[in-house]
Amino acid sequence: DQQVKQNSPSLSVQEGRISILNCDYTNSMFDYFLWYKKYPAEGPTFLISISSIKDKNEDGRFTVFLNKSAKHLSLHIVPSQPGDSAVYFCAASGGGYQKVTFGTGTKLQVIP
Amino acid sequence: ETGVTQTPRHLVMGMTNKKSLKCEQHLGHNAMYWYKQSAKKPLELMFVYSLEERVENNSVPSRFSPECPNSSHLFLHLHTLQPEDSALYLCASSQMLGFRLSQGEAFFGQGTRLTVV
Repeated sequence: DQQVKQNSPSLSVQEGRISILNCDYTNSMFDYFLWYKKYPAEGPTFLISISSIKDKNEDGRFTVFLNKSAKHLSLHIVPSQPGDSAVYFCAASGGGYQKVTFGTGTKLQVIP
Repeated sequence: ETGVTQTPRHLVMGMTNKKSLKCEQHLGHNAMYWYKQSAKKPLELMFVYSLEERVENNSVPSRFSPECPNSSHLFLHLHTLQPEDSALYLCASSQMLGFRLSQGEAFFGQGTRLTVV
C-alpha cells in the first residue's frame, strides 16, 4: 500500500513558466513533508520541507503548499529553468521515530 | 558533493558472489540509512542505524546484511542475490533519526548501481 503517491510520472514545462508537482498521502500520522530533487547519477538532494502546522513554505523560486484536509501537497517552481530538469521525490514522515516514506517521483523536463 | 560517499558506484555480480557496499560520512551524523530504488517504485527503506544500533529492519531478505562498525561507516553485505535485487542502493545520513530540518536534514550519497546477473 503506497502511502505517498505521485501520480504524474513526468511533466514538461516551458522555461520561464510555472512547474507544479503534486503529491498525495494517505497516512494521517504524517506531519512533516519534504521534497527531494535527483539528477541522473546523483543521490537525492533536499529541496524544501513543510511542517503540518503550516500550509505554505517558500524558498526562492520554490514554494510548497500543504492541504491537510485533502492530504495533498504541491511544489511550485516559478520561473522554471532548464537546470530544474530532474526527478522530484515527495516524502513524508510522522509517528514513531519519524520514519520517512517516499513517493515514486516525477520527472520534470524544463524546455528551453 | 553531499558529504556522504558510496563505493563502488557500479557493481555487477553473479548470483553466487559475495560483495559489500560501503557508505562513509564525516558530517558528524548519528543516523545512517540504506534505501533501495527500483525502477518505477518509491525509495524503499531497508535499514536504519542510530548511534551504531540497528533500529529498523524493514522486512529485508537475509541475503542483505548491514553492518555499522562506527558512526561514520555503514556497509551492506550482499550474498546469493537474485536478478530482481538489481537496483540503485542509496545511503543517507542525518544528525538524528528522521529527516526533519530541526534535527538536521538528511544527506544522500550518489548510490551504487547494482546489477545481478
